Amino acid sequence: AQKVTQAQTEISVVEKEDVTLDCVYETRDTTYYLFWYKQPPSGELVFLIRRNSFDEQNEISGRYSWNFQKSTSSFNFTITASQVVDSAVYFCALSEARHNFNKFYFGSGTKLNVKP
Amino acid sequence: EAQVTQNPRYLITVTGKKLTVTCSQNMNHEYMSWYRQDPGLGLRQIYYSMNVEVTDKGDVPEGYKVSRKEKRNFPLILESPSPNQTSLYFCASSLSPGAVAGELFFGEGSRLTVL
Repeated sequence: AQKVTQAQTEISVVEKEDVTLDCVYETRDTTYYLFWYKQPPSGELVFLIRRNSFDEQNEISGRYSWNFQKSTSSFNFTITASQVVDSAVYFCALSEARHNFNKFYFGSGTKLNVKP
Repeated sequence: EAQVTQNPRYLITVTGKKLTVTCSQNMNHEYMSWYRQDPGLGLRQIYYSMNVEVTDKGDVPEGYKVSRKEKRNFPLILESPSPNQTSLYFCASSLSPGAVAGELFFGEGSRLTVL
């Protein structure tokens, strides 16, 4: 079974629209970390955020915000007023205390196309 | 500049010809790991290393070997590559995944094609 599910394979929006990327995870651990990474067309992987399982506060960083809900095992990512530069593949990931956080499980990614 | 460096960035090889993809980091990180990225599958962890001489399998270790003789280097070895190992490979490092600043820093990727 997939530990991290990103059901949206590809999303297309027009610039300035808000967009939410979904991430659902599966774990039996009570202590874990969740991550989001961005992979722009150039191919590198850029760290966006890490969240531990004990911190359910939503986080906002500029146009980016993250909604962590343990009740639904979700860690969704919202981009407000999207821009063309947000076009990328976005990956959600999980690491668990049972593996001393050494094992990382990535979702299959969501490709975001932001059109001008 | 803090970075993770992989070489080669692109490689086309033939079935059975041993190859090594090197990975080096200059951040004095304890932890290093390898991933492969395939369409529709995201990134899958191949091997990881918690420190020098300490390595363990990830989710897809078959057909790969690693070694960690020095803290900064973590090469990925394909003893007898097969076409199903055609993929985009990423090396990553972290101070320590459980630490406060435990995020992964990735290399630029190595695109490998096995004919």
